[in-house]
Amino acid sequence: EVQLVESGGGLVQPGRSLRLSCAASGFTFDDYAMHWVRQPPGKGLEWVSGINWNSGNIGYAESVKGRFTISRDNAKKSLYMQMNSLRAEDTALYYCAKGRAAAGGHYFDYWGQGTLVTVSS
Amino acid sequence: DIQMTQSPSSLSASVGDRVTITCRATQSINSYLNWYQQKPGKAPKLLIFGASNLQSGVPSRFSGSGSGTDFTLTISSLQPEDFATYYCQQSYSAPRGSFGQGTKLEIK
Repeated sequence: EVQLVESGGGLVQPGRSLRLSCAASGFTFDDYAMHWVRQPPGKGLEWVSGINWNSGNIGYAESVKGRFTISRDNAKKSLYMQMNSLRAEDTALYYCAKGRAAAGGHYFDYWGQGTLVTVSS
Repeated sequence: DIQMTQSPSSLSASVGDRVTITCRATQSINSYLNWYQQKPGKAPKLLIFGASNLQSGVPSRFSGSGSGTDFTLTISSLQPEDFATYYCQQSYSAPRGSFGQGTKLEIK
């Protein structure tokens, strides 16, 4: 059974940093791209960042570029997001999602339950 | 960046109704379009990938169509468990994958 378990969220002051983790199990982690998607309270989904299997292809949303850094450790089957210079608008539930590439394109077939990040003084 | 726009933003319908949700991209994305369903307090669930491919385990009343810039998600006969929020997502610019703003489907 595929499981994605996020951790590391919490309350943080504006301008400070936080590191999110996502522990994966139930699949061959280093075969798949992984992503972070966030959802502010009561709002829609926003793709934040994605990383391919060997960290050779990484992308960021414009809203976080230069402040957030995605990484992965295939030996530990873990995905990370280092979030620096946090702003109030980064407040959201952060989901880890497993990417899958097929003839139909690239999609997110499994999601974690999310970890809540609240940026407030 | 590719922007995705869904319509309508909200929709009221009854059990048994046929419902269509539209998603439009700001540029051609071929068929690289996915649909997700999200219920309150839950993570999103993949319904359709590649514009028209039904994810395993998803009921056949869900279908998707379209290519280029215009896409639709159709639910042929609404069931009580289908009341949720639906999101489209483009994967043309993978690993980037922007979402639409969502369509909230409510019970009439």
